[in-house]
Amino acid sequence: QSALTQPASVSGSPGQSITISCTGTSSDVGSYNLVSWYQQHPGKAPKLMIYEVSKRPSGVSNRFSGSKSGNTASLTISGLQAEDEADYYCCSYAGSSTSFYVFGTGTKVTVL
Amino acid sequence: EVQLVQSGAEVKKPGESLKISCKGSGYSFTSYWIGWVRQMPGKGLEWMGIIYPGDSDTRYSPSFQGQVTISADKSISTAYLQWSSLKASDTAMYYCASSIVGLFDYWGQGTLVTVSS
Repeated sequence: QSALTQPASVSGSPGQSITISCTGTSSDVGSYNLVSWYQQHPGKAPKLMIYEVSKRPSGVSNRFSGSKSGNTASLTISGLQAEDEADYYCCSYAGSSTSFYVFGTGTKVTVL
Repeated sequence: EVQLVQSGAEVKKPGESLKISCKGSGYSFTSYWIGWVRQMPGKGLEWMGIIYPGDSDTRYSPSFQGQVTISADKSISTAYLQWSSLKASDTAMYYCASSIVGLFDYWGQGTLVTVSS
């Protein structure tokens, strides 16, 4: 099972919106509405930001939103803030008969 | 409050064995999966495997099958990740995380494993 493909880096100015793509296959992203997104600051554990494609856990800012089309999921951060600078990873369920889960390659978000 | 507390950093030599732990509290340990995730230095997250402590059902990523063993002791709400013979390439941060289908909601603080001669 290959990693989901994300852009290595995305940048934006404070207040702008950015979108991170996550491309998988018909066996993972395309088959299940079970894509999640994680934020990781340097030296910290990952934090769940989005689950089931577009749902936000309690406490996560509504500036974060998710969507999916075909084999590609996307995370959008609106009103970009300095604290959003971090690494972001997508993850998709891939079925119980295969590798169960697969993570994305990760995207470094830089706030200019 | 849900917490996953992992064991401390380890420094080992190639060929040695190791078992690291992840203790859950604040929730029903037997009702949620526990997953393990590797992060090699400067690299991304890799899903290693997952266990359901209620019945010890365990699944592995094909990349890690046969390389590690995942287990759990539900009597003490603790999951484990173990190696029988470490390699230098096992040097990484290892995270445990609680999971229901499709997501990893609570994460441990990570255990740094360094394998060096």
